[in-house]
Amino acid sequence: EAGVAQSPRYKIIEKRQSVAFWCNPISGHATLYWYQQILGQGPKLLIQFQNNGVVDDSQLPKDRFSAERLKGVDSTLKIQPAKLEDSAVYLCASSPVGGNTEAFFGQGTRLTVV
Amino acid sequence: QKEVEQNSGPLSVPEGAIASLNCTYSDRGSQSFFWYRQYSGKSPELIMSIYSNGDKEDGRFTAQLNKASQYVSLLIRDSQPSDSATYLCAVTVDRGSTLGRLYFGRGTQLTVWP
Repeated sequence: EAGVAQSPRYKIIEKRQSVAFWCNPISGHATLYWYQQILGQGPKLLIQFQNNGVVDDSQLPKDRFSAERLKGVDSTLKIQPAKLEDSAVYLCASSPVGGNTEAFFGQGTRLTVV
Repeated sequence: QKEVEQNSGPLSVPEGAIASLNCTYSDRGSQSFFWYRQYSGKSPELIMSIYSNGDKEDGRFTAQLNKASQYVSLLIRDSQPSDSATYLCAVTVDRGSTLGRLYFGRGTQLTVWP
């Protein structure tokens, strides 16, 4: 079974530039999550999709972050404009359904904003 | 805000010893509990899940849950240098919009020395 795929693996941009990350969840997984993990901290949820609908985006800085999951499969996360404090690893995860099921993580995208 | 606290590290144990990792959570509505292992520069990998009070064993790993005390722990027996990683405690609270959302602790860094 293929895992969660993310790209790119690494990205370096200057502040105020824009960047986009892509995620392809495990086939058949209805729930998709984007997490932000700052160095030395645990992952923090940014947004959760159930199929192509947003379930929870309460922690998403909506003035600069946006995400979509067209057709309930792939998802993109965008930052525009980026700030220095956005430097982090962005993890995509998926699970078959919400609730008590396990979430499987992709390899992440390491973003450095300079 | 749902808090997940882990015992401060780093934790260092000799090879063959038992490593004990602890986690407390603040929301009594928490229903599912997970331990993820994260190697440096890698994504979190699920190693244990536990849903009811008591112990759950899987090979060298034992998860213990006490909902009354809001406490979950992970014991690693016969620790190996390959167990050296950061261990993340995560809980879910299945209530309305937070369905399936994982709340992570900051992680405990474990080093097993030969």
